[in-house]
Amino acid sequence: EPEVTQTPSHQVTQMGQEVILRCVPISNHLYFYWYRQILGQKVEFLVSFYNNEISEKSEIFDDQFSVERPDGSNFTLKIRSTKLEDSAMYFCASSELWYYEQYFGPGTRLTVT
Amino acid sequence: GQQVMQIPQYQHVQEGEDFTTYCNSSTTLSNIQWYKQRPGGHPVFLIQLVKSGEVKKQKRLTFQFGEAKKNSSLHITATQTTDVGTYFCAGPIITGGGNKLTFGTGTQLKVEL
Repeated sequence: EPEVTQTPSHQVTQMGQEVILRCVPISNHLYFYWYRQILGQKVEFLVSFYNNEISEKSEIFDDQFSVERPDGSNFTLKIRSTKLEDSAMYFCASSELWYYEQYFGPGTRLTVT
Repeated sequence: GQQVMQIPQYQHVQEGEDFTTYCNSSTTLSNIQWYKQRPGGHPVFLIQLVKSGEVKKQKRLTFQFGEAKKNSSLHITATQTTDVGTYFCAGPIITGGGNKLTFGTGTQLKVEL
């Protein structure tokens, strides 16, 4: 069964450093998303991406965040200058059509020290 | 903005007991989705309800969508240890370019033998 993959599984970085989280969505899916989950809390929407542009973003997704689909398979989330409060699990998701269910990747645990 | 609340926050049951989680949205939903997240895992899609008053069953799980499309419930009959995890409802905000999911606060289910 096709699945969303994410790398790395765990990333440790120092405050102020840039990180890039990578995702490979399911191949025939057209809509891509990033969510984050702080330990023990609910899943929070960050951004949705369709047709090579951001279609929706939350108030969390400020100027330090950016997304890109650099080629036909990868979907990346860049955090430019990490803060301690960026420590969380980051999930990538994709869906075939906008009203279909979303498939989540296994997540990248980001730890900012 | 849209808020989606769930109760209870935690539920401990003995194996074989029933379990119900309730989901309430501050706004009317076009549809509602349910996800299960195992400890240390990622959200996994369970079901989507679209119609007012809709009821769907998956083996021991029964999902309901309220008449006003602002609330939903998930009922598990005769819980098993495999049901352990956090159950999230999610209300989509349909935008022009995608499906932004607002996750509920989640109900963590623990099942004891």
